[in-house]
Amino acid sequence: KNEVEQSPQNLTAQEGEFITINCSYSVGISALHWLQQHPGGGIVSLFMLSSGKKKHGRLIATINIQEKHSSLHITASHPRDSAVYICAAPHYGGSQGNLIFGKGTKLSVKP
Amino acid sequence: DVKVTQSSRYLVKRTGEKVFLECVQDMDHENMFWYRQDPGLGLRLIYFSYDVKMKEKGDIPEGYSVSREKKERFSLILESASTNQTSMYLCATCEQGLTEAFFGQGTRLTVV
Repeated sequence: KNEVEQSPQNLTAQEGEFITINCSYSVGISALHWLQQHPGGGIVSLFMLSSGKKKHGRLIATINIQEKHSSLHITASHPRDSAVYICAAPHYGGSQGNLIFGKGTKLSVKP
Repeated sequence: DVKVTQSSRYLVKRTGEKVFLECVQDMDHENMFWYRQDPGLGLRLIYFSYDVKMKEKGDIPEGYSVSREKKERFSLILESASTNQTSMYLCATCEQGLTEAFFGQGTRLTVV
């Protein structure tokens, strides 16, 4: 059974700062998810990545499968980036759709 | 546009009531999941289903049951609601294997 750890739990940044959120997991997987949850509860998928790096606007996600580690970066952060960011990995490793989640990183970006 | 719809955003029920939470998806996905989310604990899997009429227990199934009679609908049932089931409940779907997951908007259930 996979274990997913995220850090930091809480993060406060000034607008414009570069932000990094880290995720590590214990069982080998073929891909990992990064999700975003805004106040009010809805969760949206940001990335699903299996190797290297993916970029979407100011968001960049990287993964090192050998080291069992992934990072989510936000460049030029903005108050609208304030949300909870969650990483998720297959519960039992491999490529199952059944996910286990990190506890989330609550990001607050101040103007 | 992809849609996962949960029947209620907010729900208040009394202890001992039978509670139904409904989730409907329009993407023809095989896999459907019910999670609950609590402060400090993150999302935890209650039940999931890989196909119609199939169900599997997740990490915290006690006090819950599920029903999947049609592919597009996955229901979570609280047989006798208790105050420790006050939580945010999230439904998710994905295709077979490891693919992008799609979430409903969540149901915040309060049991009084």
